[in-house]
This record gives sequence, C-alpha cells and structure tokens, in this order.
Amino acid sequence: EDQVTQSPEALRLQEGESSSLNCSYTVSGLRGLFWYRQDPGKGPEFLFTLYSAGEEKEKERLKATLTKKESFLHITAPKPEDSATYLCAVQAWVDTDKLIFGTGTRLQVFP
Amino acid sequence: DTEVTQTPKHLVMGMTNKKSLKCEQHMGHRAMYWYKQKAKKPPELMFVYSYEKLSINESVPSRFSPECPNSSLLNLHLHALQPEDSALYLCASSQVGDGYTFGSGTRLTVV
Repeated sequence: EDQVTQSPEALRLQEGESSSLNCSYTVSGLRGLFWYRQDPGKGPEFLFTLYSAGEEKEKERLKATLTKKESFLHITAPKPEDSATYLCAVQAWVDTDKLIFGTGTRLQVFP
Repeated sequence: DTEVTQTPKHLVMGMTNKKSLKCEQHMGHRAMYWYKQKAKKPPELMFVYSYEKLSINESVPSRFSPECPNSSLLNLHLHALQPEDSALYLCASSQVGDGYTFGSGTRLTVV
C-alpha cells in the first residue's frame, strides 16, 4: 500500500536555527513528490515538485531533496514567517489522479 | 491568472439546508478536485474531475454532490449535512497528472 510518513510531527526552532523535515514514502512507481506549505485555515501553497532521486530544488530559505525512499525539506536560518504546516505528498504512475498526503510537520519559529 | 478561487470563504448551514460551494480556475487546467480537511489532518480526496468527467468518487456520502459545468468551474452541492461534516473544503486544479494548485478553501460549519 502506498504510504507517506512525515517526521517530526511538530518542530519548534529559534529564529536562525537551521533544521530539516523528513518525508518517507513507499509507492509503487513514483511519478512525483510534492511539498506544500499550509497556513492555518488556508489552502496548501505549492513549494516544490521532485521527480527523480538526486534531484534538488531551492526557494529562498528552503531546499528540497529526494532519494529513492525519502525527501528532506531543509530550512536554513528560518524566520518567524516560516511558521506553518509543511505537507509532503506523492503521486504514483499507476494513479496520477491522486496525491497521497503525509500528516504534515507543524513548524513554529520563534524570535 | 494563477489562482483557484473558492466561494464562499465561510459558510454556516443547518442540517436541513441546501447550499453550494463554488470553485473557479482560469489556468486551463483540465483536472479539478474536491478535498475535505479536518483540523490538524491532511487533506482527504473526495472527488476528481478529469476533462469535465467525474473520474474518482472516494465513496463520499450522497449528501455531497459534485458538478463540473465546464472546464473552469467546479461546484459541490450540499444537502442534509451532519455536524461531523464541518471542515475546510478545498478545491484544487492541475494539468492532468501534474501537481495541484489549491484554493484558499471554504470553512463549513454545520449546526
């Protein structure tokens, strides 16, 4: 069964304290892995798509990487405005109509 | 236009009411989705429309009725809902098989 597990569930960081969020997956033929940011009461905001192992993408303080079993979202020198829930989702070749979401990591960055 | 627009943003309805949620996109995306999200949980897929045809119904109760009048519009008709149906309802769109763009959601409260 296709599955996505995110860790940790919650993460508290001081401003400037870099860290990484993990997304482990099992899927029968990965077409793509997606990272989203979600603020409370809002829809998920697209961050990155990764398609193949070894791929990396960056945007401001965020960098996403992909291996055959997991993805990391690295946050460098975070700011309070980076506080949000970060969702990982995978899409399988056998069913491209669906995204399988993990339960998310709630990130709090305090000054 | 790179947005998915959902209306209304908030909705309170009684268990005997009939209401509709609306979703619109003008990105030329040919797949549109309804998701339901409870607090601190990931989005759960409800329905998928691909090229204006219903392709996935995730065993959603018949009190939820989707409609896709054209390639830019998606509606969700609600009737005789239960309090446990209170949630954030998210619409998303994508090119078929690609990553999703989400709307900001409708916060539904059933009283």
